[in-house]
Amino acid sequence: QVQLQESGPGLVKASETLSLTCTVSGGSISSYYWSWIRQPPGKGLEWIGYAYYPGGTNYSPSLKSRVTISIDTSKNQFSLKLTSVTAADTAVYYCARTGPMNWFDPWGQGTLVTVSS
Amino acid sequence: DIVMTQSPDSLAVSLGERATINCKSSQSVLYSSNNKNYLAWYQQKPGQPPKLLIYWASTRESGVPDRFSGSGSGTDFTLTISSLQAEDVAVYYCQQYYTHPYTFGQGTELEIK
Repeated sequence: QVQLQESGPGLVKASETLSLTCTVSGGSISSYYWSWIRQPPGKGLEWIGYAYYPGGTNYSPSLKSRVTISIDTSKNQFSLKLTSVTAADTAVYYCARTGPMNWFDPWGQGTLVTVSS
Repeated sequence: DIVMTQSPDSLAVSLGERATINCKSSQSVLYSSNNKNYLAWYQQKPGQPPKLLIYWASTRESGVPDRFSGSGSGTDFTLTISSLQAEDVAVYYCQQYYTHPYTFGQGTELEIK
């Protein structure tokens, strides 16, 4: 059974880069697509984008200029980088498995990232 | 972007009664080539990630109780809980995967009356 776990700093300063990693266990990251989704406190869900091996990506237009999602097959991990963060980027960040034109399942437990001024 | 609009925003239902949540998309999510609706439903309990309940608008995920059902086609969809249990208290989201960017409804908070 595939499991996902997010890791990374819980606090990032405004204007800096948010970096998170999702470790995939129980399956190969070379299959499927791998997404990041975020949820501001008390609010709804926003898809950030996905990556797939070997090197394909698709990003939400609203974040595309600031986002990079990449895959490391040697570690069975994928990562999120979001540049020039502001308070509006404060959210719980989830990683999830998806596919081309597909739902999200399973999800990681999520990690709260707070942007401080 | 496809806008997903859920109704109501919140809902209170008595234990054992039926709960119905609606989801409307701003354009059709029915793919004519395979006659599938690219719509999923999720359940999110406090402090937990969303859990997949339904995909292809009406296919129940393995392990999901059969009191949960999905229906609808094109732009109008419904999630029904036939007999509400205490453990069903949660926020429910619909999501379209017909086109990028994938988008979610704003969520419907379900509580016990």
